[in-house]
Amino acid sequence: DTGVSQNPRHKITKRGQNVTFRCDPISEHNRLYWYRQTLGQGPEFLTYFQNEAQLEKSRLLSDRFSAERPKGSFSTLEIQRTEQGDSAMYLCASTKLNFGIDTQYFGPGTRLTVL
Amino acid sequence: SQQGEEDPQALSIQEGENATMNCSYKTSINNLQWYRQNSGRGLVHLILIRSNEREKHSGRLRVTLDTSKKSSSLLITASRAADTASYFCAVAQGGSEKLVFGKGTKLTVNP
Repeated sequence: DTGVSQNPRHKITKRGQNVTFRCDPISEHNRLYWYRQTLGQGPEFLTYFQNEAQLEKSRLLSDRFSAERPKGSFSTLEIQRTEQGDSAMYLCASTKLNFGIDTQYFGPGTRLTVL
Repeated sequence: SQQGEEDPQALSIQEGENATMNCSYKTSINNLQWYRQNSGRGLVHLILIRSNEREKHSGRLRVTLDTSKKSSSLLITASRAADTASYFCAVAQGGSEKLVFGKGTKLTVNP
């Protein structure tokens, strides 16, 4: 257990539905990252926050995806109008910015299946 | 696009043997990290090596970094069945320190 929690752990939804995932980082960590991992691949960066500010978004993050981190604590990732191609493991990681030498601690992930 | 490329893609060894995995990357990096992932689970951080370091040890793990060749290797000595997992290298880039992962090496340690 790294101290980063994600809920739910599994989500099955029908195509076209909206889903929301939550990530609770380690409490003193000011940076929070979202990654997506498909079967047989390594994780791919989606977006990151420093405190409450979303500072970078990947081109993978289409306009159906939105992420928030109100008050710089937990974060949510919402996918609207889900598609079968959204099926993946969604991973959250957090770190404490420390002179640019950061270990990212990952949560257990939320596995999304879109039917 | 993925940048770290691990080699081999799969490795099967007997308990007690050493396992070596290699990683190559394309651009300049801030640091390089190795992670382990058990099937269907989250990633566990193993070791971080800075761009100005050449070798680092942690328990049964030894990591080397050659920035001139843009490559790194992870050595696991005296492997155990519990080491069975996928291993990923990840390079940290830019001010965001976002991690760019390879596809991983799937290690199987047979008892």
